[in-house]
Amino acid sequence: EIQLVESGGGLVQPGMSLRLSCAASGFIFDNYGMHWVRQAPGKGLEWVSGINWNSGKMAYADSVKGRITMSRDNAKKSLYLQINSLRPEDSGLYYCTKDTHDYGDYGDAFDMWGQGTMVTVSS
Amino acid sequence: QAVLTQPASLSASPGASASLTCTLRSGINVGAYRIYWYQQKPGSPPQYLLKYKSDSDNQLGSGVPSRFSGSKDASANAGILLISGLQSEDEADYYCMIWHNSASVFGGGTKLTVL
Repeated sequence: EIQLVESGGGLVQPGMSLRLSCAASGFIFDNYGMHWVRQAPGKGLEWVSGINWNSGKMAYADSVKGRITMSRDNAKKSLYLQINSLRPEDSGLYYCTKDTHDYGDYGDAFDMWGQGTMVTVSS
Repeated sequence: QAVLTQPASLSASPGASASLTCTLRSGINVGAYRIYWYQQKPGSPPQYLLKYKSDSDNQLGSGVPSRFSGSKDASANAGILLISGLQSEDEADYYCMIWHNSASVFGGGTKLTVL
């Protein structure tokens, strides 16, 4: 069974940093691109970032560019998201998702999602 | 103007069909894009439904009932998710998505009520 389990969320003050993690199991992790997608409370989905299988290709949403770094450790089957200079508008549920693109690239459907980890930015 | 625009809500009766639209911003031609659709029920992560670019380039997600299908309305510059034989379990939020300028973009979502 494919599983994606996010962790690392919590309540943080504006300006602080946070590192989110996603542990993958049930599939060959280094065969697939991965993404982070967030959802503010009561709002819609917002793609945050994507990474290909070997970290050779990455992309970030304009809303987070410069403050966010996405990375992966294929040996640990884990995905990470470092968020710096946190703002109240960064608050929300952060989902880890798997891309279906062939050959470890990204740019296709998000076929598997974790349950998400909640980030609340407030003083 | 948002890249993808979806109606905020839609209501339909059990057994009927529902057509959910996803309109692309002027200047972005729907014919060139693959449209992805996701369903999200309260308290749960989104689930992938299908992707549609053309009648020869489309795919239903694994385990998704054939009641769900995709199409396009080129005259409206829109992607369409059609749900036939509506069931109460289809009540959910539905999001469309495209890949645009190397970034994923979601529509604002449509809340489908089955009553």
